[in-house]
Amino acid sequence: DTAVSQTPKYLVTQMGNDKSIKCEQNLGHDTMYWYKQDSKKFLKIMFSYNNKELIINETVPNRFSPKSPDKAHLNLHINSLELGDSAVYFCASSQLTATTGMSEKLFFGSGTQLSVL
Amino acid sequence: AQSVTQLDSHVSVSEGTPVLLRCNYSSSYSPSLFWYVQHPNKGLQLLLKYTSAATLVKGINGFEAEFKKSETSFHLTKPSAHMSDAAEYFCVVSDQGNQGGKLIFGQGTELSVKP
Repeated sequence: DTAVSQTPKYLVTQMGNDKSIKCEQNLGHDTMYWYKQDSKKFLKIMFSYNNKELIINETVPNRFSPKSPDKAHLNLHINSLELGDSAVYFCASSQLTATTGMSEKLFFGSGTQLSVL
Repeated sequence: AQSVTQLDSHVSVSEGTPVLLRCNYSSSYSPSLFWYVQHPNKGLQLLLKYTSAATLVKGINGFEAEFKKSETSFHLTKPSAHMSDAAEYFCVVSDQGNQGGKLIFGQGTELSVKP
């Protein structure tokens, strides 16, 4: 009954490969996110989807392509992996408030540690 | 633009002593502010949040934070540290300039608790 689950937990791969990380939430939230946490623990938003529509797209290489088949799922596909992609990727979900469009509480998955060799 | 600065990258305290994790923010709007905790190899969990109600906010596990507009601060405190409090703590500001629930994270403060 995990609220936000992402798979795999660990991903070790070679440079140049293509890989995907999956995320699912069972909280009924309408918004999902991908965050990247670098080796210095700094967390930065990459993408956000609201009801399957892309609403936040930070400066991320176009090798990263999010896909939201429905509002409970947000997957992250990465093409041509590079050494600098090594990080922990966190999926999160929230419910945006109707009046302000703001989200006050994010629920995070446990992270996917990606290591590119 | 909004930003948040955590003034200490690492704080070490002894069990049973007070905890103070410092956070300053910059905001053009009335901010929403949060503290999240990340235990080793785990996702982030919300500790507490400030959203323009009471300036002293109580969270889980005995933590609290006080919003001080004059000092643009939102420091996290706990009267008595427990070994299980050892974790990474993130101060977060909500970017009210954009829709979509974008949160801006501080750099994190690692809290160590000595026996």
